[in-house]
Amino acid sequence: DGGITQSPKYLFRKEGQNVTLSCEQNLNHDAMYWYRQDPGQGLRLIYYSQIVNDFQKGDIAEGYSVSREKKESFPLTVTSAQKNPTAFYLCASSIGRENGEAFFGQGTRLTVV
Amino acid sequence: KNQVEQSPQSLIILEGKNCTLQCNYTVSPFSNLRWYKQDTGRGPVSLTIMTFSENTKSNGRYTATLDADTKQSSLHITASQLSDSASYICVVSSIWTNFGNEKLTFGTGTRLTIIP
Repeated sequence: DGGITQSPKYLFRKEGQNVTLSCEQNLNHDAMYWYRQDPGQGLRLIYYSQIVNDFQKGDIAEGYSVSREKKESFPLTVTSAQKNPTAFYLCASSIGRENGEAFFGQGTRLTVV
Repeated sequence: KNQVEQSPQSLIILEGKNCTLQCNYTVSPFSNLRWYKQDTGRGPVSLTIMTFSENTKSNGRYTATLDADTKQSSLHITASQLSDSASYICVVSSIWTNFGNEKLTFGTGTRLTIIP
């Protein structure tokens, strides 16, 4: 069935390690997004991609990297440069145009140990 | 600075009662306003999406209103059920490029708890 899938659901990282969060969609959406959610704060945009092989920084891109080699996939790497990576990460996709509904994945909870 | 403010921060009501959640925004230019429901530890799920010209939109027991003049929206839940316990997030969209690229500004949400 169609949808947007994030994996893993839970992820533990040692300090100084890079980790990659997976996001896959089979909705044929052009646009994909990564958000970070912290307690008491609204979702904040990390990176977004409007088309394959193109992506742009969001409001809090420092310490993160992405790639968009395929339309279906938009992985997020949390690097060791991200000083406070423990958070709930949400991936979303949409048709990328006005009034296009955004569909969210189920999220990945990343914890630094 | 684009902002979306929601109130109350949290709300507890008895099962079967109605409630109304509020959203005020200062996003410009305005494209549309959305309400999402987010269960704990899950991704948000869309409830309604309203454009500038729409005043009200319903989705089952959920009814959203929009006053574009005062930049206010509300989400009314009728005959609440235990499964309505979740965070409700107001999201305002603006179009910020000539290509129609959309930017979403999220509120911090209202945490709703329904008790039997």
